[in-house]
Amino acid sequence: QKEVEQDPGPLSVPEGAIVSLNCTYSNSAFQYFMWYRQYSRKGPELLMYTYSSGNKEDGRFTAQVDKSSKYISLFIRDSQPSDSATYLCAMSAKGNTPLVFGKGTRLSVIA
Amino acid sequence: DSGVTQTPKHLITATGQRVTLRCSPRSGDLSVYWYQQSLDQGLQFLIQYYNGEERAKGNILERFSAQQFPDLHSELNLSSLELGDSALYFCASSEPGPLHFGNGTRLTVT
Repeated sequence: QKEVEQDPGPLSVPEGAIVSLNCTYSNSAFQYFMWYRQYSRKGPELLMYTYSSGNKEDGRFTAQVDKSSKYISLFIRDSQPSDSATYLCAMSAKGNTPLVFGKGTRLSVIA
Repeated sequence: DSGVTQTPKHLITATGQRVTLRCSPRSGDLSVYWYQQSLDQGLQFLIQYYNGEERAKGNILERFSAQQFPDLHSELNLSSLELGDSALYFCASSEPGPLHFGNGTRLTVT
């Protein structure tokens, strides 16, 4: 079993839809959870950063962490064509330690 | 712009050769990480440096080595290159805190 599992998609939605992206993990020591967005030919860009369980909202983006289920989610409201990218979840057990990444979900938002 | 600079952007070389990838971290960031990204494996952690010292090692081959210099820039050296080493190589830096990535070096081994 991989440490972090993420459905690779591709996921295609119409503009304005609510998008739900998810990851599961097996290491119960993970406490730091991140979501990155990666456009083609670019490096991953940090979207959301959360510590432990709970929700965090930033504009159209909401990150949720459920440590009891080892499950994290990213919701995108009012999706836009510019949101079309690959979304990567990442996590670590301690600060200042390497992140373990999911393989990424490719999202297309169709105008 | 993340503030992390990687050079060169593209590198094409032959099997058996040696190359050096360079990374300048964000101003003030002490940690530098190297990752390899391929289509089938995703982002794989190679090695981390913190303020000049090796901090953590991941799936880095013995043919690969890295170092972080006193000015905090880092270099990743890849030698005896094989076709399977073709990938995107990313550098990331942190203060510590969340990682901020450069735009990578695309290595093609022919």
